[in-house]
Amino acid sequence: GAVVSQHPSRVICKSGTSVKIECRSLDFQATTMFWYRQFPKQSLMLMATSNEGSKATYEQGVEKDKFLINHASLTLSTLTVTSAHPEDSSFYICSARSTGFTEAFFGQGTRLTVV
Amino acid sequence: AQSVTQLDSQVPVFEEAPVELRCNYSSSVSVYLFWYVQYPNQGLQLLLKYLSGSTLVKGINGFEAEFNKSQTSFHLRKPSVHISDTAEYFCAVSEPGGYQKVTFGTGTKLQVIP
Repeated sequence: GAVVSQHPSRVICKSGTSVKIECRSLDFQATTMFWYRQFPKQSLMLMATSNEGSKATYEQGVEKDKFLINHASLTLSTLTVTSAHPEDSSFYICSARSTGFTEAFFGQGTRLTVV
Repeated sequence: AQSVTQLDSQVPVFEEAPVELRCNYSSSVSVYLFWYVQYPNQGLQLLLKYLSGSTLVKGINGFEAEFNKSQTSFHLRKPSVHISDTAEYFCAVSEPGGYQKVTFGTGTKLQVIP
């Protein structure tokens, strides 16, 4: 299957700082990328959907000014958590799809801890 | 709108016993159905998918699932589990199309007991 690489796998940051998470499709062009957040022992909650070259579409309740998503190319999307606070600590997972695919492929996830 | 229900949050089963993880979905249109597995602190790995055609779908690691349109179910089964199958399993649904989002169930923790 296609490969999606997410970096970093773990990050610890101080409260008030910003953190950037990268999601790359390594062997295909991802027309659409999705960002999910997963709380401990819970399911994946979709945060936003981004199409290359367009503004991201955020799910209800997700602060677009806090979670900045950029999808500048067909192989790279970034999620920036701005002015992070401890309650932003979570597991963030990206996934990528293409119009030629029937399924989404997932990155390995990023464990964010804000202290 | 579409949704997925996984009724069992945890399923303990003895090693080499069979297991079934239940999944029901709702959607007003045709859907693709998926089962993913997640190991601790890792992303999701696709076990199998149903797109169309045969209702019995075989996946990796000996898993299979059966699509039942009348019951709107897509239960996952394995005839004999191993310790290494201990993980979180997510049922998911999406509308056809490469740009469609995937909606996940709440997950089922499969605990294989030695």
